[in-house]
Amino acid sequence: DTGVSQDPRHKITKRGQNVTFRCDPISEHNRLYWYRQTLGQGPEFLTYFQNEAQLEKSRLLSDRFSAERPKGSFSTLEIQRTEQGDSAMYLCASSLLGGWYEQYFGPGTRLTVT
Amino acid sequence: GQQLNQSPQSMFIQEGEDVSMNCTSSSIFNTWLWYKQDPGEGPVLLIALYKAGELTSNGRLTAQFGITRKDSFLNISASIPSDVGIYFCAGRAGFADKLIFGTGTRLQVFP
Repeated sequence: DTGVSQDPRHKITKRGQNVTFRCDPISEHNRLYWYRQTLGQGPEFLTYFQNEAQLEKSRLLSDRFSAERPKGSFSTLEIQRTEQGDSAMYLCASSLLGGWYEQYFGPGTRLTVT
Repeated sequence: GQQLNQSPQSMFIQEGEDVSMNCTSSSIFNTWLWYKQDPGEGPVLLIALYKAGELTSNGRLTAQFGITRKDSFLNISASIPSDVGIYFCAGRAGFADKLIFGTGTRLQVFP
């Protein structure tokens, strides 16, 4: 049973560039979540999907951020025109609908904007 | 964004000692989860709690869902070096599916 995987693990980009991250959830999980974690803080919710449908977006998710889950399996998170404040760990989690709300996290993508 | 209050912020203990940490919220939660995070990795789920007053164990770890539904506690007995890391509580309120995380408790274990 493979866990949640994320790619890439690390990304360094220059301010103003676009970046895209990928998350592959646990295979039978129909819910997928994105969180952001800055140094010294706990993860903060960004958005989540149930199958293909994006059901909730946080106010943290500015217009420069977009997330998709086109086939209800993997998801992508894109950040356009990156800013230094976007530097953080981006975490993906998945859970099973009706599975007692237990969310299982991937290893994260560490983004550094220079 | 909203974060739950965890205490203590950090702990330095000797191997073999027991550890207690807690998490408090200003609002009621329906679910409490405890995670451990190692540097550069994602959080790993340790224990999940679903009912007020519930006490659940996972090996040397025991967690409780507070009766007021506004707090939760995690105890680690007979600590070992691999317990080192940051422990996060996370809560789910109402019908929401997102988790709200605590500020973390950093645990250091000395041999």
